[in-house]
Amino acid sequence: DAKTTQPPSMDCAEGRAANLPCNHSTISGNEYVYWYRQIHSQGPQYIIHGLKNNETNEMASLIITEDRKSSTLILPHATLRDTAVYYCIVRAPLRGNEKLTFGTGTRLTIIP
Amino acid sequence: KAGVTQTPRYLIKTRGQQVTLSCSPISGHRSVSWYQQTPGQGLQFLFEYFSETQRNKGNFPGRFSGRQFSNSRSEMNVSTLELGDSALYLCASSLRDPAGDTQYFGPGTRLTVL
Repeated sequence: DAKTTQPPSMDCAEGRAANLPCNHSTISGNEYVYWYRQIHSQGPQYIIHGLKNNETNEMASLIITEDRKSSTLILPHATLRDTAVYYCIVRAPLRGNEKLTFGTGTRLTIIP
Repeated sequence: KAGVTQTPRYLIKTRGQQVTLSCSPISGHRSVSWYQQTPGQGLQFLFEYFSETQRNKGNFPGRFSGRQFSNSRSEMNVSTLELGDSALYLCASSLRDPAGDTQYFGPGTRLTVL
């Protein structure tokens, strides 16, 4: 799986959009971009994933650049409960190895 | 649909003992993966089961073992516990087919070894 690079920490004001960047310059054509988040001492929570088109669900939007070398997770109206560590992962589904590799992620703090 | 459930949520053991952790995947999911998470090492893959067969294994000693039952529920066992086994143990399930390969995590079992 390709390596990802994320800023170690970010702050965002409550009610504003939180934009979390991720670089994945070595991504392969069949690899998806996945985002998870982990609130302290809980299991990681799946947020969203995409291949090359932008995706949106009830939690967030995922914007993938045309060259697929980077992406941005957008939480449109951040709340205090969005404070967590956010992980960006790239992986090819069903490649035979189901191991997920989490990097150090971005610690997002929502400020009241 | 109910999410992934893990029992127990918290466990305290002493060195040398053994422990069994349980995971019930999301209904219909056939793949269960286990991970160990510690502050120093981050999230590390233990093993993955699909249709009662271990398909992949991480780099952990033989003291760590697991199994999966016909209803896709899974257990992992750690024998001869060491202090370094203190960690959050996470279970994740997925459909494991082209229609759905996303892994969904349970809340974890916090194991403390004294």
